[in-house]
Amino acid sequence: EAQVTQNPRYLITVTGKKLTVTCSQNMNHEYMSWYRQDPGLGLRQIYYSMNVEVTDKGDVPEGYKVSRKEKRNFPLILESPSPNQTSLYFCASSSVQGRDQPQHFGDGTRLSIL
Amino acid sequence: KQEVTQIPAALSVPEGENLVLNCSFTDSAIYNLQWFRQDPGKGLTSLLLIQSSQREQTSGRLNASLDKSSGRSTLYIAASQPGDSATYLCAVLALAGNQFYFGTGTSLTVIP
Repeated sequence: EAQVTQNPRYLITVTGKKLTVTCSQNMNHEYMSWYRQDPGLGLRQIYYSMNVEVTDKGDVPEGYKVSRKEKRNFPLILESPSPNQTSLYFCASSSVQGRDQPQHFGDGTRLSIL
Repeated sequence: KQEVTQIPAALSVPEGENLVLNCSFTDSAIYNLQWFRQDPGKGLTSLLLIQSSQREQTSGRLNASLDKSSGRSTLYIAASQPGDSATYLCAVLALAGNQFYFGTGTSLTVIP
């Protein structure tokens, strides 16, 4: 089954404790992306990757890091999480650089930073 | 910077009614526009994708139109059903930078 898998689905942690949210897709997609969703603000793109070893900043990259060492994986790293990063996070992927194919989304990761 | 707006923020209709959701964007330099559905606690499911050169796309009871020059798209849902209740989001893929920009969504409730 074609899918985007995020882990963990839920996480409560404390300020400053490094964490990684994993994202994996099994569709051989070139384009992968991370979003955060906040009430009243909608989804905002954090980082995206056009292919292996190629990453670019989205609208809200501050406080986040990503890497794309393999085509299927695109982890999101919060090196020193802060309460304003409490949010619902989504990973997505698409083929042909996302231009004529729809994005596939994971089920989301709800992060609470205390 | 691209801004995407969806009106109304919430909509409640009786079952069987036809309805229109609106999406507007400020910069017409886009590759495509996509409509998504989001159910509570779930990710987004793609409904329709319209390339910038296209005017509309149809899938079942859904029809999406795109007027790139005026920066507008509509999602038409025919004969609405309670199972259509969800939040509907539109997103544009910008020509510059390959970034996606989302609207804040329209929360639809279809009353049996």
